[in-house]
Amino acid sequence: EAGVTQFPSHSVIEKGQTVTLRCDPISGHDNLYWYRRVMGKEIKFLLHFVKESKQDESGMPNNRFLAERTGGTYSTLKVQPAELEDSGVYFCASSRVVGDRGGTQYFGPGTRLTVL
Amino acid sequence: QQQVKQSPQSLIVQKGGISIINCAYENTAFDYFPWYQQFPGKGPALLIAIRPDVSEKKEGRFTISFNKSAKQFSLHIMDSQPGDSATYFCAAKGAYGGSQGNLIFGKGTKLSVKP
Repeated sequence: EAGVTQFPSHSVIEKGQTVTLRCDPISGHDNLYWYRRVMGKEIKFLLHFVKESKQDESGMPNNRFLAERTGGTYSTLKVQPAELEDSGVYFCASSRVVGDRGGTQYFGPGTRLTVL
Repeated sequence: QQQVKQSPQSLIVQKGGISIINCAYENTAFDYFPWYQQFPGKGPALLIAIRPDVSEKKEGRFTISFNKSAKQFSLHIMDSQPGDSATYFCAAKGAYGGSQGNLIFGKGTKLSVKP
């Protein structure tokens, strides 16, 4: 079974530019999560999709961030325009079913975003 | 406000020794406490997890000790090996109901096991 994949692995952009991160969850996983780790800090939740619907987007920092999940499969996270404080590692995770109390979340390798 | 506090930030242990990482949480609604292990260039991977109805869970060399009254839990790695060198994150999650699916992480502990 293929794991969670993320693209690109690294992105370096200038302040004010736009970047789109992509996540492909494990096949059949209805739940998809985005997290971010800013250097030296904890991994922080951004949002949670159940299939194509946003279940919880309480962690999204501001309206420069837009997440979508087309047809309940892959997801994209767009940052527009990027600011310096957006730098960090963006992780995507997926879990199998809705309502799974434990719901093991499987993480991708992350996208390291650097905004100059 | 940090809901899960993890210590130490870094840890150096000799091969064969015991590594201990501690976490404390605030929210009594949390009911699932996983530990994740992350190697450089990889994403966090679930190592072991516990629910608050038990005080200890052991899987091989890895043990979680859980103290519900103190709102603390810890990871013990027995017979630590150089291959255990990684960053370890504790986390917590609320009971699933509506939107509480997200994990709340500690800041991580970088463990180095010296040969």
